[in-house]
Amino acid sequence: KAGVTQTPRYLIKTRGQQVTLSCSPISGHRSVSWYQQTPGQGLQFLFEYFSETQRNKGNFPGRFSGRQFSNSRSEMNVSTLELGDSALYLCASSPTGIAANEQYFGPGTRLTVT
Amino acid sequence: AQTVTQSQPEMSVQEAETVTLSCTYDTSENNYYLFWYKQPPSRQMILVIRQEAYKQQNATENRFSVNFQKAAKSFSLKISDSQLGDTAMYFCAFIERGGSQGNLIFGKGTKLSVKP
Repeated sequence: KAGVTQTPRYLIKTRGQQVTLSCSPISGHRSVSWYQQTPGQGLQFLFEYFSETQRNKGNFPGRFSGRQFSNSRSEMNVSTLELGDSALYLCASSPTGIAANEQYFGPGTRLTVT
Repeated sequence: AQTVTQSQPEMSVQEAETVTLSCTYDTSENNYYLFWYKQPPSRQMILVIRQEAYKQQNATENRFSVNFQKAAKSFSLKISDSQLGDTAMYFCAFIERGGSQGNLIFGKGTKLSVKP
């Protein structure tokens, strides 16, 4: 089976712009979750989608949003980018959810906001 | 508020020895899950082990085992027979069981170096 893929792998954006990141889960997995990793704040959970519905959510402002399609692929959108949004964004997929004992992470998208 | 604390920012261990990484958490919930994740340098995050709070038996996965002390809200990870490939950042995490809109909360991480 192919692993979790994230596109693009690297991205440079300017403050005020918006960005969309994509995550393709392992075939058959219905859960996709998103994480932000920064040197200052560490690893933080953004949200989880399961069968096209947001099921769990971290403490991020509304500028961060996501969606999941019927084929389980997920996108994450950040609007009105700020310098502090520069981070490694990880996604993970699971057959049943983020509390499962099967979770597989992608390589991440490195976002730089200038 | 629920919190996860990893008190050891960095640790080192000799190859083949045993090391224990500490994690404490704070919650008023009774049902939850605890996790240890491993992030090797420049490689993808891996889920190492998961513990269900309602199970008293400590979870084990090959050389990795946990010491779950629910009353003390402690969840340490023991790595036996350490290998060079165990060098990584290790994150402890918590999420309450059931409900909706739950938050998966991570500790700040412990950087483990395995020395030959």
